[in-house]
Amino acid sequence: EIVLTQSPGTLSLSPGERATLSCRASQSVSSTYLAWYQQKPGQAPRLLIYGASSRATGIPDRFSGSGSGTDFTLTISRLEPEDFAVYYCQQYGSSPPEFGQGTKVEIK
Amino acid sequence: EVQLLESGGGLVQPGGSLRLSCAASGFTFNSFAMSWVRQAPRKGLEWVSSISTSGATTTTYSADSVKGRFTISRDNSKNTLYLQMNSLRAEDTAVYYCARGHTVFGDFDYWGQGTLVTVSS
Repeated sequence: EIVLTQSPGTLSLSPGERATLSCRASQSVSSTYLAWYQQKPGQAPRLLIYGASSRATGIPDRFSGSGSGTDFTLTISRLEPEDFAVYYCQQYGSSPPEFGQGTKVEIK
Repeated sequence: EVQLLESGGGLVQPGGSLRLSCAASGFTFNSFAMSWVRQAPRKGLEWVSSISTSGATTTTYSADSVKGRFTISRDNSKNTLYLQMNSLRAEDTAVYYCARGHTVFGDFDYWGQGTLVTVSS
């Protein structure tokens, strides 16, 4: 079982700032089967990034993913008001698929 | 437009059963793997079960925490995904989401709105 650890737990930033979220895996994630999801209160998660670095349909280019092996990063280049939410990484290259515990991006 | 609509949640006593349904529309249902993901109150996301696309053999996968108690299935003629939940426990209390996957275990590009299951006496 691959355990994903996200850091920081909470990120306090202002609109317009850059956000850098980390996701570290306990073992190498095969074939970069790493996704990032955004979740707002009362809503279902939304796919942002799949395959570690490919943006899902309709996702603005201020969101970018990078990394391989055990270290992955989600970067939001300039935070918009609608970007304040909880972000989860997920590995889906092996069973069981696992989600990280989440990083909350809050308004400073 | 792709839509996933869950139903069947509610309040059930410990040891009881529920069957969740997820009605899919707007895409070729039998071409996609489908999954259930849950979220306990104020907690993170937890994968529950997945089912492969239908072919000669449909393969199912479940988390250890629900194995032997929950069964995922699909009816392609009705474009519907199911989760039969037996021997429910308090720790199964959560919002249950169905999700469409580009792989069996992830790349979930569409999610339903969720249905709440509460296990309590």
